[in-house]
Amino acid sequence: AQSVTQLGSHVSVSEGALVLLRCNYSSSVPPYLFWYVQYPNQGLQLLLKYTTGATLVKGINGFEAEFKKSETSFHLTKPSAHMSDAAEYFCAVRVSNNDMRFGAGTRLTVKP
Amino acid sequence: GAVVSQHPSRVICKSGTSVKIECRSLDFQATTMFWYRQFPKKSLMLMATSNEGSKATYEQGVEKDKFLINHASLTLSTLTVTSAHPEDSSFYICSARDAGTGYDSPLHFGNGTRLTVT
Repeated sequence: AQSVTQLGSHVSVSEGALVLLRCNYSSSVPPYLFWYVQYPNQGLQLLLKYTTGATLVKGINGFEAEFKKSETSFHLTKPSAHMSDAAEYFCAVRVSNNDMRFGAGTRLTVKP
Repeated sequence: GAVVSQHPSRVICKSGTSVKIECRSLDFQATTMFWYRQFPKKSLMLMATSNEGSKATYEQGVEKDKFLINHASLTLSTLTVTSAHPEDSSFYICSARDAGTGYDSPLHFGNGTRLTVT
């Protein structure tokens, strides 16, 4: 069965520092992977997705993620954190045409 | 981009009353919509899959008679929390996928509804 594990429920970085949010997945079929961001009291906004092709995927707001099949990982990174990046981030794997499984989420805090 | 509108954003109701939440796809058609519940500092829990023109599919443990879902058109799904109790207080989020897109297309989310039952 497909599932997603996000390591670290809370990550804190300084403004300007590298952001690294970890996501590992398990899937019996080639996965479709997604990262979403959620700001307080809002829905989820798509950051980026991997389906096929290039394993390094670039998304909005300067984020990118690399699909590593050998490590079953899809970690999210950003070279330099901004205060506005503080939010909850969810990794997700497409299970079927009508379902998506989300990780538990990682709360990113950015310190001035 | 695809927009999903969810209404209301916040609602406070008294215990025993019913509350309806609407989820609309504004610029695309959605044969399938999804309803999630999110507890504080927790991930999203899929409650049910709403299928246009047919009955919703509920996840295990979700009471279908309590959480009534209607998907009467390709752009509208509603979730009605019947006889609400304080334990139903939560953040409810809907999502939809463009019916004209493929398997690799993302879900588009509404902004959620904060339900408080007093």
